[in-house]
Amino acid sequence: GENVEQHPSTLSVQEGDSAVIKCTYSDSASNYFPWYKQELGKRPQLIIDIRSNVGEKKDQRIAVTLNKTAKHFSLHITETQPEDSAVYFCAASRSRNSGYSTLTFGKGTMLLVSP
Amino acid sequence: NAGVTQTPKFQVLKTGQSMTLQCAQDMNHNSMYWYRQDPGMGLRLIYYSASEGTTDKGEVPNGYNVSRLNKREFSLRLESAAPSQTSVYFCASSDTDRESYEQYFGPGTRLTVT
Repeated sequence: GENVEQHPSTLSVQEGDSAVIKCTYSDSASNYFPWYKQELGKRPQLIIDIRSNVGEKKDQRIAVTLNKTAKHFSLHITETQPEDSAVYFCAASRSRNSGYSTLTFGKGTMLLVSP
Repeated sequence: NAGVTQTPKFQVLKTGQSMTLQCAQDMNHNSMYWYRQDPGMGLRLIYYSASEGTTDKGEVPNGYNVSRLNKREFSLRLESAAPSQTSVYFCASSDTDRESYEQYFGPGTRLTVT
């Protein structure tokens, strides 16, 4: 089955700095890579996702990059703000036309943005 | 739309007791999932239902059973609770029929087994 490794487990930055979280996956057939944000005591919510037919996707201050050859993908947050403080999870799965699989999550990164 | 709802929000059980966690979604999604979340372990899949009438084991199914009651509802049962099942349980749903793999999560159930 799929195995997703996520690093670092904790990340502390100053407000305004950039933050990068990295994930690797093992199943070369995986083609869907979402990122979820979970605030303390809340449910995980999707913030951005990427499919394997693109190498990069941006949405305002967040971006995700994918390197299929190396089997890794990364979340980039620019101009961090205190409200970005949360736990971030990466995940990987295969779509139906690749032999559907459920999401496998990384263990999470706790991001702390200090004012 | 309420999205994904779960009951109860909190529960304390004694070892050996049984209980059922309820989950419902009003988004007409075909697929539903049960996860447990433990500190430092991320979200681990217990069981899932790819479509109404089917259920499959996930990564950590031991000690649990599920029922896909209809398209809206997917319940998780602990027959004989153990302290190792102390966790936060999340239900989720997605519309895989339309190739949309975003999973929408419920608010979670915090379960303590003493």
